[in-house]
Amino acid sequence: GENVEQHPSTLSVQEGDSAVIKCTYSDSASNYFPWYKQELGKRPQLIIDIRSNVGEKKDQRIAVTLNKTAKHFSLHITETQPEDSAVYFCAASKGGGSNYKLTFGKGTLLTVNP
Amino acid sequence: DGGITQSPKYLFRKEGQNVTLSCEQNLNHDAMYWYRQDPGQGLRLIYYSQIVNDFQKGDIAEGYSVSREKKESFPLTVTSAQKNPTAFYLCASSSTSGRINEQFFGPGTRLTVL
Repeated sequence: GENVEQHPSTLSVQEGDSAVIKCTYSDSASNYFPWYKQELGKRPQLIIDIRSNVGEKKDQRIAVTLNKTAKHFSLHITETQPEDSAVYFCAASKGGGSNYKLTFGKGTLLTVNP
Repeated sequence: DGGITQSPKYLFRKEGQNVTLSCEQNLNHDAMYWYRQDPGQGLRLIYYSQIVNDFQKGDIAEGYSVSREKKESFPLTVTSAQKNPTAFYLCASSSTSGRINEQFFGPGTRLTVL
């Protein structure tokens, strides 16, 4: 089955700096890669996703890049703010047909220091 | 955030007891999922269902059981066979039409075995 590795497990940055979280996946058939943000005690919420037919997607301060050949994708957060502090999870899915389940990475605890 | 509810928010169980966690959604989603979250372990899939009256084991199904008698409901029973049931349990749902795979999460149930 699919295996998703996520690094680093913890990341501490100063407010205003950029943060990068990286994930690799094992199943070349995976074609949908979402990123979820989970604040302490709350439910995970989708912040951005990318499909295998594009290499990069941006949404304000957040961007995701995908390298299908190398089977890795990354989350980039620019101009970090204290409210960005949370656990971030990457995931992978084959999508479509009968393959809707997501395989998650173990998460990255991001701390943005004021 | 709305659309998926889980109850109760906190649950305490004595060893040897079965307990059922509730998950309801009004998003008209066909697919529903149960995850277990432990610190540093990410989200691990317990069971998932893509249609009423059908479900499949996820990666850590031992000691758990589910039913899917209605589209809106996907209860999870944690049985006495589950060796270490103390964890945060998250339910999610997603559409199976088209290519959209976003999973929407409920607020979670924190189960503690005394």
